Amino acid sequence: QVHLQESGPGLVKPSETLSLSCTVSDGSIRSDYWNWLRQPPGKGLEWIGYIYYSGITNYNPSLKSRVTMSLDTSKNQFSLKLSSVTAADTAVYYCARQKGQNWFDPWGQGTLVTVSS
Amino acid sequence: DIQMTQSPSTLSASIGDRVTITCRASQSISSWLAWYQQKPGKAPNLLIYKASSLDSGVPSRFSGSGSGTEFTLTISSLQPDDVATYCCQQYNSYPMTFGQGTKVEIK
Repeated sequence: QVHLQESGPGLVKPSETLSLSCTVSDGSIRSDYWNWLRQPPGKGLEWIGYIYYSGITNYNPSLKSRVTMSLDTSKNQFSLKLSSVTAADTAVYYCARQKGQNWFDPWGQGTLVTVSS
Repeated sequence: DIQMTQSPSTLSASIGDRVTITCRASQSISSWLAWYQQKPGKAPNLLIYKASSLDSGVPSRFSGSGSGTEFTLTISSLQPDDVATYCCQQYNSYPMTFGQGTKVEIK
């Protein structure tokens, strides 16, 4: 069964760029849709965007101007960059797979990113 | 964006009770709805897709129904392991959106 694991800094300064990676194990990144989502403390889930195995991306319009996603097939990883962060970007960030444009399964365990000086 | 509204936001019930959670979409999403269970400090776990299809390994006490704009998740007999937050997700159109969650507690 495919397993996903997020990694990256847990603390980012305001106005800087948040960078996270998701490593896919027991499966190949050369298929399916690879997503980033987030959940601010005590709040609901927000879809950030996906990168398809071909490299095509689709971002949430609310974040589109600040988001970049990429794939590294040699490492079986995909990545998220979110620029110009503020305290409102503090959240648990999850990576997740979609086999089609539908539900998310499985998910990584999540990583808390705090934006603070 | 399609808005997903869940009710109630919190639910307290006894072991063995039948529990129902409602999710409403701001426009028709056909049957393109998933339900997730999220335990504290953990990632969401898929329970149901296409409104009523149970994911592999999910106990049969969970069921989903509905289409269009109104959907329900039912737990037929609440168990201690079911204490969690449940949320719905529409995949009719992008951006995909989620309900705000329903926290289920034991009375």
